[in-house]
Amino acid sequence: DAKTTQPPSMDCAEGRAANLPCNHSTISGNEYVYWYRQIHSQGPQYIIHGLKNNETNEMASLIITEDRKSSTLILPHATLRDTAVYYCIVRVGNRDDKIIFGKGTRLHILP
Amino acid sequence: NAGVTQTPKFQVLKTGQSMTLQCAQDMNHNSMYWYRQDPGMGLRLIYYSASEGTTDKGEVPNGYNVSRLNKREFSLRLESAAPSQTSVYFCASSEDVSPLHFGNGTRLTVT
Repeated sequence: DAKTTQPPSMDCAEGRAANLPCNHSTISGNEYVYWYRQIHSQGPQYIIHGLKNNETNEMASLIITEDRKSSTLILPHATLRDTAVYYCIVRVGNRDDKIIFGKGTRLHILP
Repeated sequence: NAGVTQTPKFQVLKTGQSMTLQCAQDMNHNSMYWYRQDPGMGLRLIYYSASEGTTDKGEVPNGYNVSRLNKREFSLRLESAAPSQTSVYFCASSEDVSPLHFGNGTRLTVT
């Protein structure tokens, strides 16, 4: 079973920040949080990952709570092209990781 | 740099036919994965391989076999296709904590 829980869907107005939550209450100390998104039926695309510190790149920011039991992906200025399914996963980062995806959050950006 | 290449892109099979889905990566990754995605659903792990010559079952291995003959290639075989195996199949690769890199998928229909 997936180690993460996400809301099935969310709406966000174009130009506003989209905040996507993820619960991973059973995360281990050596597990990273990764976010991916999937547009239409394309292969999932990597967005960002982190261990315990907050991270930012050109696509998004990742905020991880101090107890590491949940995280939030922030798309600072959502556009229509950000409409996609967003997946949050946790993994150790070992060669023999059994990487399980949940059902993700379907984000609708509203014009 | 092609990343992860999957062939074929589309395939239609009759029930009981067999076929092999091919996946190759040029990033020198040790870990490779096969997922299936049914319409409107998330990704489910079929098999994965931590290194050349090793494979492990994922969440939904029944009806499939895999082969990791070398570091670059990881193939998925359907010995006797069933309509329940109609899906989009994604191959992915990774190395330690590096993100998963996905192919563009193979769309399989079994009639």
